[in-house]
Amino acid sequence: NAGVTQTPKFQVLKTGQSMTLQCAQDMNHEYMSWYRQDPGMGLRLIHYSVGAGITDQGEVPNGYNVSRSTTEDFPLRLLSAAPSQTSVYFCATPSYFGDGTRLSIL
Amino acid sequence: QQQVKQSPQSLIVQKGGISIINCAYENTAFDYFPWYQQFPGKGPALLIAIRPDVSEKKEGRFTISFNKSAKQFSLHIMDSQPGDSATYFCAATPSNSGYALNFGKGTSLLVTP
Repeated sequence: NAGVTQTPKFQVLKTGQSMTLQCAQDMNHEYMSWYRQDPGMGLRLIHYSVGAGITDQGEVPNGYNVSRSTTEDFPLRLLSAAPSQTSVYFCATPSYFGDGTRLSIL
Repeated sequence: QQQVKQSPQSLIVQKGGISIINCAYENTAFDYFPWYQQFPGKGPALLIAIRPDVSEKKEGRFTISFNKSAKQFSLHIMDSQPGDSATYFCAATPSNSGYALNFGKGTSLLVTP
């Protein structure tokens, strides 16, 4: 989608592994968010940021860390992957969502 | 706790008909109410949004109706087309919270030819 780029598009991890989901935007927007989407659950907010250096927890933050060192980038870190974190992850600005990262934890 | 409740879960409409999806919320701090359309394998796309100072907003075939006193809002898709078949999500947020959205669980819309 225009303006928000997520990498990778697909990833398979083993339980206990760590990884970082990348998100970059080119709209110079202050606000960015991470969501996970699970069947029948809609989209749930993990973490969000209102500007560089400022982050806050959403509805389901456990097991995830974020940082916002620049306006453009908002990476999401899985500290020790668990099967319950198998999901599709979306990064967003107020107007645009990325196309998602499909993550499977074995 | 689901802060935004959406219904129905699924909807089948004939081509040319009106699709109606409803949402309700409790948090009176919410002041921005967007609707998103999502196709399989893609991220949600912002369709239309409303703020509580107006009761209706129309963009093309898509209309949001907003009832502040009832804390409800709805999406109407007029002259529904097969290309409208997608999952629709309502959301709500206090806009001073960085647009951190609270989503409904979604409605799967199928428009039949």
